[in-house]
Amino acid sequence: AIQLTQSPSSLSASVGDRVTITCRAGQGIRSGLAWYQQKPGKAPKLVIYHASSLESGVPSRFSGSGSGTDFTLTISSLQPEDFATYYCQQFNSYPLTFGGGTKVEIK
Amino acid sequence: QVQLQESGPGLVKPSETLSLTCTVSGVSISSYYWSWIRQPPGKGLEWIGCIYYSGSTDYNPSLKSRVTVSVDTSQNHFSLKLTSVTAADTALYYCARGSPRGGDDTFDIWGQGTMVTVSS
Repeated sequence: AIQLTQSPSSLSASVGDRVTITCRAGQGIRSGLAWYQQKPGKAPKLVIYHASSLESGVPSRFSGSGSGTDFTLTISSLQPEDFATYYCQQFNSYPLTFGGGTKVEIK
Repeated sequence: QVQLQESGPGLVKPSETLSLTCTVSGVSISSYYWSWIRQPPGKGLEWIGCIYYSGSTDYNPSLKSRVTVSVDTSQNHFSLKLTSVTAADTALYYCARGSPRGGDDTFDIWGQGTMVTVSS
């Protein structure tokens, strides 16, 4: 199984900050990476697919980049509704796997 | 709109079989891939397996010997069976749809999740 390592595991940031989360794959996965946002008590929500494609309805302050083994999710200007846990997921090969998550907290 | 709803027992005894159903509304089940994903309390996400309406399946090797995912197109639902459960199978179980934009193996619509506790 392809291991995904997210960093940091948590971060504190203020409204308006630029936030970057990293996901590293244990082997190359081309552009087969998605990002999800999960708020407490809620199901995950798809944010980015194919590493850099913005899911319909997701604000443009979210962006994704990377290919191969190194990927990033960036929130250009953090908003109050963005405080959540973010997970990366690879879909280059089975079994599908998720990163351990990055919790974005209010500073 | 498309909605998914998980249902099944919230408590299962050790060594018994966990059985869940995901009822799909707002779209035919015969058009997408469908997955089960779980999340132990306070932990991350684990993909369990997926099914296409034709019955084609893929499973996580870590669970493969105990998992069966099936589909009932007449009822527009799909199901999960996990045998020989232990406390390690205690988790919030989600069903999800394979995204038509992101590919079958990303998930654009999720159920609300159903908590299953394994305990005697």
